[in-house]
Amino acid sequence: KAGVTQTPRYLIKTRGQQVTLSCSPISGHRSVSWYQQTPGQGLQFLFEYFSETQRNKGNFPGRFSGRQFSNSRSEMNVSTLELGDSALYLCASSWAVPQETQYFGPGTRLLVL
Amino acid sequence: QQQVKQSPQSLIVQKGGISIINCAYENTAFDYFPWYQQFPGKGPALLIAIRPDVSEKKEGRFTISFNKSAKQFSLHIMDSQPGDSATYFCAASKWGETSGSRLTFGEGTQLTVNP
Repeated sequence: KAGVTQTPRYLIKTRGQQVTLSCSPISGHRSVSWYQQTPGQGLQFLFEYFSETQRNKGNFPGRFSGRQFSNSRSEMNVSTLELGDSALYLCASSWAVPQETQYFGPGTRLLVL
Repeated sequence: QQQVKQSPQSLIVQKGGISIINCAYENTAFDYFPWYQQFPGKGPALLIAIRPDVSEKKEGRFTISFNKSAKQFSLHIMDSQPGDSATYFCAASKWGETSGSRLTFGEGTQLTVNP
C-alpha cells in the first residue's frame, strides 16, 4: 500500500508570493492533517480535514488555509509569504478513529527568500 | 494546557547501551501517546504508542513507560544501535467526535549512538 505522498518536495518562493502544497493520503484514509516543522518551534499543528470539512485548526494566521477534495486529497495554501514561513510542511493521514495512528508523508521543504 | 515537555534535547549513548527519553504533559484529557522517529529528510514515522490505561508497552527493543498520576511517559531503547541515531518526538492527542485528533509534540531529542 502506498504511503502518504506530498508534492512538490522542495519549493523556493519570495516574500509576498503565495504557495500551494499538495498531499495524497494513504488509500482509504479520510482524515488529513497538516503540520509545520521548524528548528525553533518544532512540530506544530496547522489544521485537520475530514470529509472535505476543516474539523480542527491550530494557532496560525489566516494566511494559512487548506481544503480537502472528495477523494480525500488535500491542499494547503499560504498567501503573502513571509521569511518565517520557511519550514518543512508535513501532511499526515489517518482513518479518523479514536487513538489512531497518523502516518506522515516526507514533507515539502519551503524556502522563502 | 496543551504543552508536552520533552527531555533531554540531545543524547549520546554507546552501542549496546540504553537510551531513555522523557516527556511530561499537562492536559489530563490526552488519551493517546505516540512516539515518532524522524531521520533527516524524512517525515516522522510512528515507533510505538500507548493509551493511558496501560502502564507499560514493549515492542522489540522499544518500551514506553507511562505514569498517569505523574503525567509523565518515557521511551526506553534497549541495546541501542547506530541505526537508531535519529530525532525522537513524543506526542499526545485527545480524540473528539467532531474535532478529530491533533498531535501535540514535544520538542524532540536528537539521539546519537556511537559504534
